[in-house]
Amino acid sequence: AQSVTQLDSQVPVFEEAPVELRCNYSSSVSVYLFWYVQYPNQGLQLLLKYLSGSTLVKGINGFEAEFNKSQTSFHLRKPSVHISDTAEYFCAVSDTWDTGFQKLVFGTGTRLLVSP
Amino acid sequence: EAGVVQSPRYKIIEKKQPVAFWCNPISGHNTLYWYLQNLGQGPELLIRYENEEAVDDSQLPKDRFSAERLKGVDSTLKIQPAELGDSAVYLCASSDKLGDANTGELFFGEGSRLTVL
Repeated sequence: AQSVTQLDSQVPVFEEAPVELRCNYSSSVSVYLFWYVQYPNQGLQLLLKYLSGSTLVKGINGFEAEFNKSQTSFHLRKPSVHISDTAEYFCAVSDTWDTGFQKLVFGTGTRLLVSP
Repeated sequence: EAGVVQSPRYKIIEKKQPVAFWCNPISGHNTLYWYLQNLGQGPELLIRYENEEAVDDSQLPKDRFSAERLKGVDSTLKIQPAELGDSAVYLCASSDKLGDANTGELFFGEGSRLTVL
């Protein structure tokens, strides 16, 4: 079964600084990767996804992630963060494309704390 | 377009009491999911519906949890009796089977936070 590891439970960063949130997944022949964001007291929202093609994926709010097959990683990056980026970020993986990626497995999340 | 609606947002009950959560998915979405999110953890799938059929309920603790999706639209998740360890956020999500097979996107509600005393 697929699994996802988010090694950093919390990442503090100053406003306008760059940030990287790390995600590693267990290897599989084919894999589909996602980053979701959860703002306080809200549901999860899709940031970006990798299905195939270019390994550099761009998402909403200036975030991007790079799929690295050899390192089984899908790290999330942003060159300059804002206070409003403070949230919980979840990496997720699916190894099936049967009927819409139902078998999503989520990591434990990384809390991004942006301070002035 | 209205998003996934869940109620109640917050519920506090005594242990051994029953509790029910309701979910209204995005109009036209055939697939509905219930996820459990414990504090400091990622969501874990409890059950998935395709229309009114539960196609994956392997993670649902059937001794005390039950779910239904009558008419293939709204869904209810019930716990009876609740235990202290059930304190968590219960998330509902939906997806369009055909459209989101390409996007991979699940649309989540804001969740129902349960506290069992």
